[in-house]
Amino acid sequence: DAGVTQSPTHLIKTRGQHVTLRCSPISGHKSVSWYQQVLGQGPQFIFQYYEKEERGRGNFPDRFSARQFPNYSSELNVNALLLGDSALYLCASSTRADRQFFGPGTRLTVL
Amino acid sequence: AQSVTQPDIHITVSEGASLELRCNYSYGATPYLFWYVQSPGQGLQLLLKYFSGDTLVQGIKGFEAEFKRSQSSFNLRKPSVHWSDAAEYFCAVGLYNQGGKLIFGQGTELSVKP
Repeated sequence: DAGVTQSPTHLIKTRGQHVTLRCSPISGHKSVSWYQQVLGQGPQFIFQYYEKEERGRGNFPDRFSARQFPNYSSELNVNALLLGDSALYLCASSTRADRQFFGPGTRLTVL
Repeated sequence: AQSVTQPDIHITVSEGASLELRCNYSYGATPYLFWYVQSPGQGLQLLLKYFSGDTLVQGIKGFEAEFKRSQSSFNLRKPSVHWSDAAEYFCAVGLYNQGGKLIFGQGTELSVKP
């Protein structure tokens, strides 16, 4: 079975722009979580979705939003990009709370 | 508030030497505990996890970790390090009452000397 996939792999944007990142979970996984990993730090929780409903939200501004589609894939949207949004964005899927599978991430650079 | 501390930002060991990476957590109840490894430019791979039962857990690639409730610690060990173990290691607490949300430490970068 395919693992968690994310697109695009890399992305370069300028300040003030909007970005959409995409994640496809492992087949059968209904929960998707998003994490932001700034260089030199551990990942930080942004959102969790389960069965298309938001189940958790981390300490991120309203510029960050997400949604989950009927096929359980997910999008993370970030508006009004700031330099500090430059990071590796990781998606994880799971069927149960004690095991999450991570994708390879999307590297976002904001200039 | 829940938190995870990895006191060592960077560790260098010689190939074949033993390894111990430290992790301390702060959480009100018994948490899920995890160790993940991340190679440069890659996502996170689960090495091992602890939820209950035997406090010494075995993982992949010859790693093990020991949960010590009295010290709020979950240190990762390997008896003999290989050059391919060079990577970033993250300890994490999983909040099972919040859908498994993970709280990560800042990571420990492991370098292996030949």
